[in-house]
Amino acid sequence: DTEVTQTPKHLVMGMTNKKSLKCEQHMGHRAMYWYKQKAKKPPELMFVYSYEKLSINESVPSRFSPECPNSSLLNLHLHALQPEDSALYLCASSVRFQEYSNQPQHFGDGTRLSIL
Amino acid sequence: AQSVAQPEDQVNVAEGNPLTVKCTYSVSGNPYLFWYVQYPNRGLQFLLKYITGDNLVKGSYGFEAEFNKSQTSFHLKKPSALVSDSALYFCAVKVTGANNLFFGTGTRLTVIP
Repeated sequence: DTEVTQTPKHLVMGMTNKKSLKCEQHMGHRAMYWYKQKAKKPPELMFVYSYEKLSINESVPSRFSPECPNSSLLNLHLHALQPEDSALYLCASSVRFQEYSNQPQHFGDGTRLSIL
Repeated sequence: AQSVAQPEDQVNVAEGNPLTVKCTYSVSGNPYLFWYVQYPNRGLQFLLKYITGDNLVKGSYGFEAEFNKSQTSFHLKKPSALVSDSALYFCAVKVTGANNLFFGTGTRLTVIP
């Protein structure tokens, strides 16, 4: 069983809809990540939160809006998405996000998003 | 610049035979190396990591990996493959002094009964 929980598992939405993806971990990790993964490709980093503050935004379009309400929760708010945004969205966490941290990231099972 | 290469998109091996999934890296500092496995409709699962010390690293589900500094490689191995090992495998590298984790393109392993 994964220790990072993502909801919903599947989401179908129109291009004008607003929806949110949720991620939760109770391992006491202080770094949380959003990745986008296309079929048979490696995950692409989108955002990193460290101690509930946004540390990295990999030039992600503003139609994706992350939020970290507390150390256990990470949200990704979606608005006016495009068909090319259809993908598997993965959340991950790690003990810390520091340049000398060698701890692995722990991934959730993802939300499979389809944009109509 | 940091990069990771997985030269084989697909590896097929017969059940019970040894398996190897290859990974080479190019970094400008000391690497931390990781292997992850992804089963269909699942997230990535951590298998093992190399930080420092013994070049042979043992991980979950009987997997191991050998760090070779001179060849800048970190190949994943298992002495006897199981059908249930069939999945997508990703090698990843992080460099001391940098924040991001760089993933290889992935290798699909198929174990044939």
